[in-house]
Amino acid sequence: GENVEQHPSTLSVQEGDSAVIKCTYSDSASNYFPWYKQELGKRPQLIIDIRSNVGEKKDQRIAVTLNKTAKHFSLHITETQPEDSAVYFCAATNTDKLIFGTGTRLQVFP
Amino acid sequence: SQTIHQWPATLVQPVGSPLSLECTVEGTSNPNLYWYRQAAGRGLQLLFYSVGIGQISSEVPQNLSASRPQDRQFILSSKKLLLSDSGFYLCAWSPRNYGYTFGSGTRLTVV
Repeated sequence: GENVEQHPSTLSVQEGDSAVIKCTYSDSASNYFPWYKQELGKRPQLIIDIRSNVGEKKDQRIAVTLNKTAKHFSLHITETQPEDSAVYFCAATNTDKLIFGTGTRLQVFP
Repeated sequence: SQTIHQWPATLVQPVGSPLSLECTVEGTSNPNLYWYRQAAGRGLQLLFYSVGIGQISSEVPQNLSASRPQDRQFILSSKKLLLSDSGFYLCAWSPRNYGYTFGSGTRLTVV
């Protein structure tokens, strides 16, 4: 089955800097890769996703890149703000079940 | 638009007691339904998923079970709770293999 690894587990950046979170997946048949943001005590919220027929997708300050050959995908947040502080999860699926990475705790310091 | 409801929001149960958590989805038909568990400060572990009424796939063998008695209803149950069952339980739905949306979650504490 699918296995997703996520790095780093924690990430601290200064406000205005960029943040990058990386994930690798094991199943070459996976074709959908979402990213979720989870604030303390709340449900994960989808922030961006990408399908395997696309190499990059951007939505304002966030972007996701996918390298199918290397089986890895990354989340890029530019011009970080304190409200970006949260836990971010990557995930992958090719079937009916979504498998998550272990999460990255992002802290943005003013 | 589609909405997902999950209840209760919090639950404190003694060891050995039964459990029933319910999740319903509105505004769609034949959704995929999921139960995930999140231990404190940890990731999201897939427990069960269902692609149709009466169809349940279990990902982790344990003392939990799931049922889907109606198209848009998903229930997580246990006959006897263990301390290790404590966690944040999240129901989710997807149309088909994309756009997974989570419910607001149930925080379960087993004492």
